[in-house]
Amino acid sequence: DTGVSQDPRHKITKRGQNVTFRCDPISEHNRLYWYRQTLGQGPEFLTYFQNEAQLEKSRLLSDRFSAERPKGSFSTLEIQRTEQGDSAMYLCASPGQGNTEAFFGQGTRLTVV
Amino acid sequence: QKEVEQNSGPLSVPEGAIASLNCTYSDRGSQSFFWYRQYSGKSPELIMSIYSNGDKEDGRFTAQLNKASQYVSLLIRDSQPSDSATYLCAVIRGWAGGTSYGKLTFGQGTILTVHP
Repeated sequence: DTGVSQDPRHKITKRGQNVTFRCDPISEHNRLYWYRQTLGQGPEFLTYFQNEAQLEKSRLLSDRFSAERPKGSFSTLEIQRTEQGDSAMYLCASPGQGNTEAFFGQGTRLTVV
Repeated sequence: QKEVEQNSGPLSVPEGAIASLNCTYSDRGSQSFFWYRQYSGKSPELIMSIYSNGDKEDGRFTAQLNKASQYVSLLIRDSQPSDSATYLCAVIRGWAGGTSYGKLTFGQGTILTVHP
């Protein structure tokens, strides 16, 4: 157990629907990252939070994607008007005590049908 | 050129052998290097981190870093069937204005199969 918790673990949705994922990072850590991983590829960076501030967004994060981290604790990632190409594993990561190593949650597997 | 490249797989080794996994990176300013193991359907699990040139050993795992050659490797000694997984190389690139500290860039992964 890395201390990073994601919910739900699996989500099947119809194309065009909105979905929201939640991440609870390692407690008291101010940095949080979202990544996306498609089949056969390594994870790709989506966005980064320092406390409640979203400091960097990848070009992969189209305007259908939005992420928040209210109060600098848990984070949510919302995808609006889902497309089949959004099907992937969405991963949340938080640094450990060493402050450089990143530990991943269990991930949310999204399937858009 | 991809930012992080791993040797193409899949890699198959017999039980008890040494598995060698390789990774090259393009950004000379890269600072930190990691190996993750990922079982099918699961999330990546950190198994090794290395920050300075040379070798770092942890149990059956040895990470090797050569910054001059921009090369990172992972050796798994006495490979076991339970080591069968995808191994991901990841780097933290040079500081970019202080806003992306800690962001990982991954290779595409190498599938390792250890057969009895």
